[in-house]
Amino acid sequence: AQSVSQHNHHVILSEAASLELGCNYSYGGTVNLFWYVQYPGQHLQLLLKYFSGDPLVKGIKGFEAEFIKSKFSFNLRKPSVQWSDTAEYFCAVKTGANNLFFGTGTRLTVIP
Amino acid sequence: DTGVSQDPRHKITKRGQNVTFRCDPISEHNRLYWYRQTLGQGPEFLTYFQNEAQLEKSRLLSDRFSAERPKGSFSTLEIQRTEQGDSAMYLCASSLSNTGGPANEQFFGPGTRLTVL
Repeated sequence: AQSVSQHNHHVILSEAASLELGCNYSYGGTVNLFWYVQYPGQHLQLLLKYFSGDPLVKGIKGFEAEFIKSKFSFNLRKPSVQWSDTAEYFCAVKTGANNLFFGTGTRLTVIP
Repeated sequence: DTGVSQDPRHKITKRGQNVTFRCDPISEHNRLYWYRQTLGQGPEFLTYFQNEAQLEKSRLLSDRFSAERPKGSFSTLEIQRTEQGDSAMYLCASSLSNTGGPANEQFFGPGTRLTVL
């Protein structure tokens, strides 16, 4: 069965620090990969997605993610975080089925 | 607001009662999904519709759960004889399928938070 692992449960950074959140999935076939963000009190929003082509994808608000097929990974990065990036981040995988499999999420706290 | 809407936003009920939630997707979207999210977990898939047809159901969707999308627009999720373990956030999402096209983004609603006492 498909699964998505996010090993960092809670990350605390100071503003301007660099961010990398890990995401690993288990599925041997073709996947579509997503990062969603949930700001406090708001609903899930798409940050970025990968379905084919360049494995380095850029999303909104300066986020990017790199798909490394050999490592079954899709880590999220941002070179310099801001206080407004404080949120919960979810990695998700879509396989042949139409539903998304989500990781357990990583809570990011950015200290001003 | 032209996003996905859900009603109610919060529901408190006593164990054994039935509850029904409503989801209104983005108007041109033909796919509608229901997910459940418990504390400390990511959303878990429950079921999905393409137009009015319910095409997939998760094993999480017990016999007490039923979902409908009668006219291919809004959807309802009913939970009968609620149990304390049903307490969760119930999320609805919608997307527009385009056969052969790229991955379709699912747009999520704000969710309905259910508390079963």
